[in-house]
Amino acid sequence: EAQVTQNPRYLITVTGKKLTVTCSQNMNHEYMSWYRQDPGLGLRQIYYSMNVEVTDKGDVPEGYKVSRKEKRNFPLILESPSPNQTSLYFCASSRQGNSPLHFGNGTRLTVT
Amino acid sequence: GQQVMQIPQYQHVQEGEDFTTYCNSSTTLSNIQWYKQRPGGHPVFLIQLVKSGEVKKQKRLTFQFGEAKKNSSLHITATQTTDVGTYFCAASGSARQLTFGSGTQLTVLP
Repeated sequence: EAQVTQNPRYLITVTGKKLTVTCSQNMNHEYMSWYRQDPGLGLRQIYYSMNVEVTDKGDVPEGYKVSRKEKRNFPLILESPSPNQTSLYFCASSRQGNSPLHFGNGTRLTVT
Repeated sequence: GQQVMQIPQYQHVQEGEDFTTYCNSSTTLSNIQWYKQRPGGHPVFLIQLVKSGEVKKQKRLTFQFGEAKKNSSLHITATQTTDVGTYFCAASGSARQLTFGSGTQLTVLP
């Protein structure tokens, strides 16, 4: 089954404790992207990747890192999480940058 | 970067009433996509519009792309409780990247 798998679904952590949210897709998609969703603000892009070893900042990259060492994986790293990063995060992939996106189920992160 | 305005932010309708959400851009778009996110779920792709003036239908849903390729609408005829959720447009311009509108949250009252 074609899918984007994100883990974990829920995460509660404390300020400053490094964390990684994993994302994997099995559709051989070149493009992958991370979004955060906050009430009233829609989906804001954090980082995206056009292909392996190619990543770029989205609209709200501050406080986040990503890597794309393999085509299928695109982890999101928060080196020092802060409470303003409490949000719902979605990973998505597509054939190319403006193709229809397939979304993961989301990760709800709470930073206290 | 590119901005896409989507209105309204919220819409409450009685079951059986129609619903429309609109997306507008100040720049010409190469394509526009629509997604639906059920409560507690993730966005799911509905449709993509590419051509100027294009109209596509999916059962009770009608999608339109403006003649100038700067605006789009999603119209639902005779809403049902299964239509509840947030509808997002996502637009692509010259940067070949998608920018999402802020979404319209639809509530359908039985």
